[in-house]
Amino acid sequence: DAGVIQSPRHEVTEMGQEVTLRCKPISGHNSLFWYRQTMMRGLELLIYFNNNVPIDDSGMPEDRFSAKMPNASFSTLKIQPSEPRDSAVYFCASSPGGLAGRGEQFFGPGTRLTVL
Amino acid sequence: KNEVEQSPQNLTAQEGEFITINCSYSVGISALHWLQQHPGGGIVSLFMLSSGKKKHGRLIATINIQEKHSSLHITASHPRDSAVYICAVRNTGNQFYFGTGTSLTVIP
Repeated sequence: DAGVIQSPRHEVTEMGQEVTLRCKPISGHNSLFWYRQTMMRGLELLIYFNNNVPIDDSGMPEDRFSAKMPNASFSTLKIQPSEPRDSAVYFCASSPGGLAGRGEQFFGPGTRLTVL
Repeated sequence: KNEVEQSPQNLTAQEGEFITINCSYSVGISALHWLQQHPGGGIVSLFMLSSGKKKHGRLIATINIQEKHSSLHITASHPRDSAVYICAVRNTGNQFYFGTGTSLTVIP
């Protein structure tokens, strides 16, 4: 298996632009997680899905952030409009563990976002 | 106050030393994860625990639910163990909390 796939690996954009991050979970995994990591705040869980349904989005910082999972093999995290403080590494992870990801999580390589 | 506290924040060890990283948490949990983040940024899940002890190679993770404490041990440490180790817990309400990480450097 190729593992969790994220794209793009790096994204540089200007403030105010829309940014879309993509994630393909490991086939057969039914939980998907979006994380953000910064030097200041460390690793933060933004949202997670189980069977394509958002379970907990309390970590989503504000209305500029939205996440979707239209099917079991694809998820997007969108930021609109982007701001410099959104600069971070965004990780996607998937888990085979059923409701709320009771199992081990497998992380993607991350997308490094820089907003100028 | 953070729900998850790790210690130490930074740790330097000589190759071959036995290493312990500690994690204390303040919430009722259904699972605790130990993650390893390599210098290149990639994150690997090492263990998921809800009770007792797990071992994988030179790594051992223990958890004491009553004391709300977990430890990650590395035996015969090696420079390739140099990484940031992150403790994360999922509470009974399915919310996740993360420690700030322990940065480990193992010197040859």
